[in-house]
Amino acid sequence: ETGVTQSPTHLIKTRGQQVTLRCSSQSGHNTVSWYQQALGQGPQFIFQYYREEENGRGNFPPRFSGLQFPNYSSELNVNALELDDSALYLCASIRIGTSGASTDTQYFGPGTRLTVL
Amino acid sequence: QKEVEQDPGPLSVPEGAIVSLNCTYSNSAFQYFMWYRQYSRKGPELLMYTYSSGNKEDGRFTAQVDKSSKYISLFIRDSQPSDSATYLCAMSKTGGFKTIFGAGTRLFVKA
Repeated sequence: ETGVTQSPTHLIKTRGQQVTLRCSSQSGHNTVSWYQQALGQGPQFIFQYYREEENGRGNFPPRFSGLQFPNYSSELNVNALELDDSALYLCASIRIGTSGASTDTQYFGPGTRLTVL
Repeated sequence: QKEVEQDPGPLSVPEGAIVSLNCTYSNSAFQYFMWYRQYSRKGPELLMYTYSSGNKEDGRFTAQVDKSSKYISLFIRDSQPSDSATYLCAMSKTGGFKTIFGAGTRLFVKA
């Protein structure tokens, strides 16, 4: 198993509510990415955080937002939940050097399964 | 057209068979190629990681990248029932950034 942890494991919300998901990166990793994986699909990139700032974003609306903390852990916030937001939310971490890139690959946590009713 | 195409299967093989999994892609800027294994309701687990073209072998697993054809493959030798999972191909332009995944192929290995 990787050193990436996520909480909670499962979550049930109703449409219109807000949710916060948490991720602790693997030791030595300074960058966190979030992905959404709908049932039967591959993960889709939401955004990445590096040095506490958003460092790239996929095709997701602004109601998906995030934070990265000085210890490199991260939060994903989703406002105004919709039924289609039901998915497995994955966090991945990696160490990116001062060049802004890495020759390593990222490692995934176990995910948080969000159900929106 | 999706950036990465992967046949979702399912693919069913007998124990001991050689399994071939494939993906095609359209963006020639991809430089990093990965294969992940994902068991039901778990996060993806990295199996193989290749930079640029060529082959890479790790135990029963071999990954191949053909950038001229924009085609990547994963071969599993002597397949075992424990290999039954969804296999995701993934790729990125820059290491560690914005990884694009295929839809995943569901593999069943029958004892």
